[in-house]
Amino acid sequence: EDKVVQSPLSLVVHEGDTVTLNCSYEVTNFRSLLWYKQEKKAPTFLFMLTSSGIEKKSGRLSSILDKKELFSILNITATQTGDSAVYLCAVEPTGNQFYFGTGTSLTVIP
Amino acid sequence: ETGVTQSPTHLIKTRGQQVTLRCSSQSGHNTVSWYQQALGQGPQFIFQYYREEENGRGNFPPRFSGLQFPNYSSELNVNALELDDSALYLCASSWGLMRDTQYFGPGTRLTVL
Repeated sequence: EDKVVQSPLSLVVHEGDTVTLNCSYEVTNFRSLLWYKQEKKAPTFLFMLTSSGIEKKSGRLSSILDKKELFSILNITATQTGDSAVYLCAVEPTGNQFYFGTGTSLTVIP
Repeated sequence: ETGVTQSPTHLIKTRGQQVTLRCSSQSGHNTVSWYQQALGQGPQFIFQYYREEENGRGNFPPRFSGLQFPNYSSELNVNALELDDSALYLCASSWGLMRDTQYFGPGTRLTVL
């Protein structure tokens, strides 16, 4: 059965800390892995990863994929209160399916 | 350029009723996907429409059905509502089938009593 597991479920850090969010997956015929940030309702796209070992970076956020070990990490450096959100990982196999994990709830305290 | 919009914002129904949720795609997008997000959970893929045809479906019963119109707006219909159907329903539009171009709407919060 295809599944996506994220850890930790929740995280509380202080401003300026660095956090690492984890996403492991088991899917048949992997195509891509995507990260989203969900602050209130609409998830917003962060990264799409298709190849192992190639880091994607946007400002203080970065992400990398390991297709051999079937996981991805999302790093956020120098966290700010505006980073508080639920971070969702989703995996797209071939065949027009799309599986989300439960998400990691990040709270950044001033 | 307008973003993805959904209506209504909130909805309360009773068990056994039927509901229709609506989604207007972002300008230029021809693909719409629908998701169900229960409280504290990640979104679950319901189905996707591409150029007015269903193009992929998640593990949802047939009482969840949809339509995509020539202007690429979309409807999600749910018949015989159950208490477990209470959730945030998100739609997302994209150009073609690439998920990285997918933009989500703000969702419709459905409560079934």
